[in-house]
Amino acid sequence: AQTIHQWPVAEIKAVGSPLSLGCTIKGKSSPNLYWYWQATGGTLQQLFYSITVGQVESVVQLNLSASRPKDDQFILSTEKLLLSHSGFYLCAWSLIQISNERLFFGHGTKLSVL
Amino acid sequence: QQKVQQSPESLIVPEGGMASLNCTFSDRNSQYFWWYRQHSGEGPKALMSIFSNGDKKEGRFTAHLNKASLYVSLHIKDSQPSDSALYFCAVSLDSNYQLIWGSGTKLIIKP
Repeated sequence: AQTIHQWPVAEIKAVGSPLSLGCTIKGKSSPNLYWYWQATGGTLQQLFYSITVGQVESVVQLNLSASRPKDDQFILSTEKLLLSHSGFYLCAWSLIQISNERLFFGHGTKLSVL
Repeated sequence: QQKVQQSPESLIVPEGGMASLNCTFSDRNSQYFWWYRQHSGEGPKALMSIFSNGDKKEGRFTAHLNKASLYVSLHIKDSQPSDSALYFCAVSLDSNYQLIWGSGTKLIIKP
């Protein structure tokens, strides 16, 4: 069975500090991977997607970057956090393009920037 | 730019009742429509998809799509307390790695 693990579960960080969030998918080779941001109780905004190792496409510019160093790993990072980065970060995977295939989400990372 | 809007923002339904959630989209080229639900503190989970005009039923859930009217809906029959969650409509154009999500409907089922 496929599992998706996100770390950390929650983070409290200061404005201006760096951030690294991670996501690992087990039991599925060469998945499509996605990062989403969600304001508390709000809609989901897709940030990045990756079809293959080393290749990441940006969907919106939010002073964040993403990398896919291994087939099963997706990293979201920034060197300098802003207050507006607070929220819920969700990693997801799909078998093929998400138009006609469901997304499977992790449990998310709650980020508070103070 | 595709706009996806959901109504109502929140909905209270008695246990055993019918919940009806609505979603409108702006791009007539939209091809794929999904309903997801999210329980508090978790990631969203896909409920069902609908790609053709008409109704699609899966258990207690029925989705309805009318592309000409730019409208998709979800109906939950015999609502249970465990159906209490945030429900999202998500829309995609053909051959795309992006989904555009609605703002969500908070559904509360009252025992």
